[in-house]
Amino acid sequence: GQNIDQPTEMTATEGAIVQINCTYQTSGFNGLFWYQQHAAEAPTFLSYNVLDGLEEKGRFSSFLSRSKGYSYLLLKELQMKDSASYLCAVREGSGGGNKLTFGTGTQLKVEL
Amino acid sequence: NAGVTQTPKFQVLKTGQSMTLQCAQDMNHEYMSWYRQDPGMGLRLIHYSVGAGITDQGEVPNGYNVSRSTTEDFPLRLLSAAPSQTSVYFCASSRRISGANVLTFGAGSRLTVL
Repeated sequence: GQNIDQPTEMTATEGAIVQINCTYQTSGFNGLFWYQQHAAEAPTFLSYNVLDGLEEKGRFSSFLSRSKGYSYLLLKELQMKDSASYLCAVREGSGGGNKLTFGTGTQLKVEL
Repeated sequence: NAGVTQTPKFQVLKTGQSMTLQCAQDMNHEYMSWYRQDPGMGLRLIHYSVGAGITDQGEVPNGYNVSRSTTEDFPLRLLSAAPSQTSVYFCASSRRISGANVLTFGAGSRLTVL
């Protein structure tokens, strides 16, 4: 089984940088995902990390440390449209199937 | 490309009624799954399928059945609805990227059981 922790809520200012942390405990780590979910909409894929280090995609970056069971999502140059819930999800095991375990999400509010 | 299509978007049931949530994808994805999302609980896996004819249970399978007769369709059946099944249900299908399966979600089905 897995335990995934992320902060419930965060608030940041437009144009600023925000870091959303995710810690996990798992017996067979095989990748970590970040998804964005706007209110009343479906989650959409942001990033994937399976090796240690930083993955950068435009304004969004994601970092992974497998030894620490830790990841973060970094959002730069925040925009109002970035107000959403950010879901950390861990894949455990290998082979077929897509059994992801999701954290409860971090609700980010971007203010003027 | 429609992606992942779920129907209905909204449904109200009485306790004990049965219904099927439909899910179809046109991306030729092998993997399909159903999640439910409840406040403070995050997305929880109900059932998943790695291909036509193959299904398996997720974290919270009780009260739900699935089948996968074709690659495109993965319906979720509630046999006897209970108020605890009031939730938002998401169907998702997967493609591979860099060795991982990236989920594409449908728009969701909001179910209320009275």
